[in-house]
Amino acid sequence: EIVLTQSPDFQSVTPKEKVTITCRASQSIGSSLHWYQQKPDQSPKLLIKYASQSISGVPSRFSGSGSGTDFTLTINSLEAEDAAAYYCHQSSSLPITFGQGTRLEIK
Amino acid sequence: QVQLQESGPGLVKPSETLSLTCAVSGYSISSGYYWGWIRQPPGKGLEWIGSMYHSGSTYYNPSLKSRVTISVDTSKNQFSLKLSSVTAADTAVYYCARQQHTTGTVHWFDPWGQGTLVTVSS
Repeated sequence: EIVLTQSPDFQSVTPKEKVTITCRASQSIGSSLHWYQQKPDQSPKLLIKYASQSISGVPSRFSGSGSGTDFTLTINSLEAEDAAAYYCHQSSSLPITFGQGTRLEIK
Repeated sequence: QVQLQESGPGLVKPSETLSLTCAVSGYSISSGYYWGWIRQPPGKGLEWIGSMYHSGSTYYNPSLKSRVTISVDTSKNQFSLKLSSVTAADTAVYYCARQQHTTGTVHWFDPWGQGTLVTVSS
């Protein structure tokens, strides 16, 4: 089973700041890495697919990069509405696994 | 616009079987995609349970495989989850979701249902 480790677990940030969340896989997964945003009391929402491909309707301040074992989700110019938990998810091999999540708090 | 809605008992007794249904609107299950279940214990992260294609092809998480059955009812445009011999560790919000696929594997989930909390307690 592929283990995904996200860092940090928690980050408190101010609006307009640039935020970087990393996801490291226990073995190479190519570009089969996807990102989700989960706001409090809501279901997860797809943000990025295949490491860097944008999703229709998702604000352009969200971007992804990486391949192999190291991946990054970047949020440019953070907004208050971005307070949420963020999860990475790998589909390179079964079983599908998720990172433990990164919670963003807006100061 | 595709929408998914979970339904089922919110309370299940230990050792019994958890049964949930996911109704899909705005898209025909028979048209393609895999259809999956994911759960999230209170305050914790996400765990994939399993996924199914309308033709019957399934993928299950090995950690749950012995207790899980996912089925599809194309006539009602819905799919279901059964998890047997539940314990308190199965207490979680259960989500259903549409899942993209390529030959031999499945990929991202989009969209997700709103989720339903199932508590295992006597």
